[in-house]
Amino acid sequence: AQKITQTQPGMFVQEKEAVTLDCTYDTSDQSYGLFWYKQPSSGEMIFLIYQGSYDEQNATEGRYSLNFQKARKSANLVISASQLGDSAMYFCAMREGVNDGEYGNKLVFGAGTILRVKS
Amino acid sequence: NAGVTQTPKFRVLKTGQSMTLLCAQDMNHEYMYWYRQDPGMGLRLIHYSVGEGTTAKGEVPDGYNVSRLKKQNFLLGLESAAPSQTSVYFCASSLGGGGETQYFGPGTRLLVL
Repeated sequence: AQKITQTQPGMFVQEKEAVTLDCTYDTSDQSYGLFWYKQPSSGEMIFLIYQGSYDEQNATEGRYSLNFQKARKSANLVISASQLGDSAMYFCAMREGVNDGEYGNKLVFGAGTILRVKS
Repeated sequence: NAGVTQTPKFRVLKTGQSMTLLCAQDMNHEYMYWYRQDPGMGLRLIHYSVGEGTTAKGEVPDGYNVSRLKKQNFLLGLESAAPSQTSVYFCASSLGGGGETQYFGPGTRLLVL
């Protein structure tokens, strides 16, 4: 079974508008972390934002915020005031477990969502 | 501070040839990882290392070997390349294993004919 599901293969958003990229996850661990990465057409992976399972508040980093709904097992990325430079592939990823020796901080990635910002 | 670097950026191999991908980080990170990225599948973990001299298998380890002889370097080897190993390979590193962010290299594009 997939542990990270990104149901939107592609999204369009008008410049300056907000957009939400969906991510649902599946884990039986109580302690886990959720990450979002951006991959522009140049190919590099850029870390955007992190949410720990015990964090009570939703994570925010500038124009990025993570809408964390633990009961629904969702960790949606919200980008406010979209810019043309936001056009990229976006990946949601999860780290499971607290035992470093067992899990090694490994990440499991979703298939990604391509975002296109229109001017 | 270069972060995570990968060598080479692009390589073409014939089936059966061998090669080594080099990953280097200058952030004094303990943990290092190798992922592959295929279309429509996101990134999948090949092997990882939790410290110098240690390696462990990830999700898709078959056909690859790794070594971590120095803390700053993590090598990925293909002993006998196959067309199924055509992919983009990413190296990453993190300070430790307690949920620290993984920082990625620029990737190596490998084509196996």
